[in-house]
Amino acid sequence: DVKVTQSSRYLVKRTGEKVFLECVQDMDHENMFWYRQDPGLGLRLIYFSYDVKMKEKGDIPEGYSVSREKKERFSLILESASTNQTSMYLCASSYTGEQEQFFGPGTRLTVL
Amino acid sequence: EDQVTQSPEALRLQEGESSSLNCSYTVSGLRGLFWYRQDPGKGPEFLFTLYSAGEEKEKERLKATLTKKESFLHITAPKPEDSATYLCAVQGGGYQKVTFGTGTKLQVIP
Repeated sequence: DVKVTQSSRYLVKRTGEKVFLECVQDMDHENMFWYRQDPGLGLRLIYFSYDVKMKEKGDIPEGYSVSREKKERFSLILESASTNQTSMYLCASSYTGEQEQFFGPGTRLTVL
Repeated sequence: EDQVTQSPEALRLQEGESSSLNCSYTVSGLRGLFWYRQDPGKGPEFLFTLYSAGEEKEKERLKATLTKKESFLHITAPKPEDSATYLCAVQGGGYQKVTFGTGTKLQVIP
């Protein structure tokens, strides 16, 4: 079974802190994605990566950056956390752009 | 820009009461339409991919269908364990990005 793991289930940070969210997949998938999910807004794509060291902006990249140094690992970085970044963050991976995405359990981030 | 609209936002069914969820979409060159199930506090779980109008897929009590403008997720004789939020998503031509709808929250009452 495909497994996507995320470093934390719950995280509480202060405004202005630098936050790292890590995602690891064990199926050698080329593509990896970071979404945030908010009530009434659904899943919105922050960034995705289709290969090591490659990244593309999604719909809402402002305030975020990403890093993919190894194929199995994709990190989301909040350079200076703000209260409007309080959300559920979901990581996903897939073999190709046309295949289904497999999601991790999510990280619920609260920024105080 | 790709768009996905799901209806209704919430649906409450009695156990055994069949119904359908709707996903209307606009996309440039559909490469795939996806259905996911999401339980509270968890990540979405993949259910189906549909690629072209007229295609149907089934899994237990769920059946997904596709036309050129919408997809339906039919739930036959639902059970309480079918309670979840069901998400629809589309992928347009020439791009890796998938656009998600906001989901239908289904509650099945014993």
